[in-house]
Formats: sequence, structure tokens, C-alpha cells
Amino acid sequence: EVQLVESGGGLLQPGGSLRLSCAASGFTFSFYAMSWVRQAPGRGLEWVSTISTSDGNTYYADSVKGRFTISRDNSKKTLYLQMNSLRAEDTAVYYCAKEVVATIWGDAFDIWGQGTMVTVSS
Amino acid sequence: DIQMTQSPSSLSASVGDRVTITCRASQGISNNLAWYQQKPGTVPKLLIYAASTLQSGVPSRFSGSGSGTDFTLTISSLQPEDVATYYCQKYNSAPRTFGQGTKVEIK
Repeated sequence: EVQLVESGGGLLQPGGSLRLSCAASGFTFSFYAMSWVRQAPGRGLEWVSTISTSDGNTYYADSVKGRFTISRDNSKKTLYLQMNSLRAEDTAVYYCAKEVVATIWGDAFDIWGQGTMVTVSS
Repeated sequence: DIQMTQSPSSLSASVGDRVTITCRASQGISNNLAWYQQKPGTVPKLLIYAASTLQSGVPSRFSGSGSGTDFTLTISSLQPEDVATYYCQKYNSAPRTFGQGTKVEIK
């Protein structure tokens, strides 16, 4: 079964740091670009970041650029999101997502994790 | 950046009705558009990609059309289990923007 399982969420103060993880199983992780998408409470979906396959290129939403870093460890089949200088507006459920087709990047998201909640509050 | 605008933001229809949701891109995106369904308290689910390709396992009452800047998601016969919020997304270049969502309810 194709599965993504996020972990690492929690409650922290503004300015803090957190690293989210997404463990993949059931598919050849290294063949697929991976992304993070977030959803603030009661709000819509917001794309956060994507990491490609072979060249490891990374892409970020303007709202997180310079503060968040996406990375992957293909040997561990795990995706990461390092979040620094956290703000209240970063409060959201964070989902990792796999693309439909095994390409460098640039396809829809067919598999989503269950999400991990990040709350930034003083 | 390309903006994605969905309409309406919400709708209420009867079981069996034909429902149409539109998504407009501020610039042409060819057919690089996906539709997702998110039921309350659940994870988003891919319905359609490449504007009109039905994802495996999705009921055939869902269909997508369009290219360039204007896209539609159609539910041919609304069912109670279709109560959800629907999102479009352009995905071929960053930022991979989602529409603001359309909430579908049963009248």
C-alpha cells in the first residue's frame, strides 16, 4: 500500500524552529518529486514547497522562502521540512504529498499523508 | 504569479442535480490543472488531473474540462457523499497555486 506518514508537529512559540518528517512506503520514493502543502484552521489549501527527484531542485512559496527548507533522504525514504523563524500565521496542518507520475517534478498530487499539526503561539 | 479563482465559493444543490464549478487562471496554463475533493475532517483527494483525466477509483459522475485559462469540474448527479470542499490547482510551475475552494452542500 502506498502510504505517507508525517510526524514532528507540535506547539511552539513564535521565532522557534521545528522539523517535520514524512515517511514514505509502498512506492519507489526516489523516483517521485515530493511536496508540502498546508492548511490553516478553517482555511483553504496552500502549497508550501516542492523538491524534485534527480537534481534535487527546490521550490518555495513566497510566504516561507528563506525560513523553510525542504529536503529528502532517498535511502531512508523520508521527506523533511525544516521550519525556522516560525510565525503565528504558520499555524496549520502540514501535509506531505506525492506526485502522480515519476518525473523530475510538475504533476498533480495523488497521495497525501494524514497531516501533522503545527501551532505557533505565545 | 498566476492566480487561480474559483466560483462560486459555495453552492447548495439537490441530490441528483448537475453541479458545475469553475476555475479561472490569470494566465494560460495549458491543461496543467487538477481538482481535489476534501470532505470535512479528511485529507484532500485527487479527483482529476491534466484538466480532464479521471483519477483511478473516482466515480464517473465527476468530469473535468477546459484548457488555457478556463476550467470546469462537473458532478453529473450530485450524491450525499459528494458534500465537500473542492479545490483546483495549477501544478506545472511554482508557485503551485490552489483556488480558494468551493463548498458543496445538499439542499
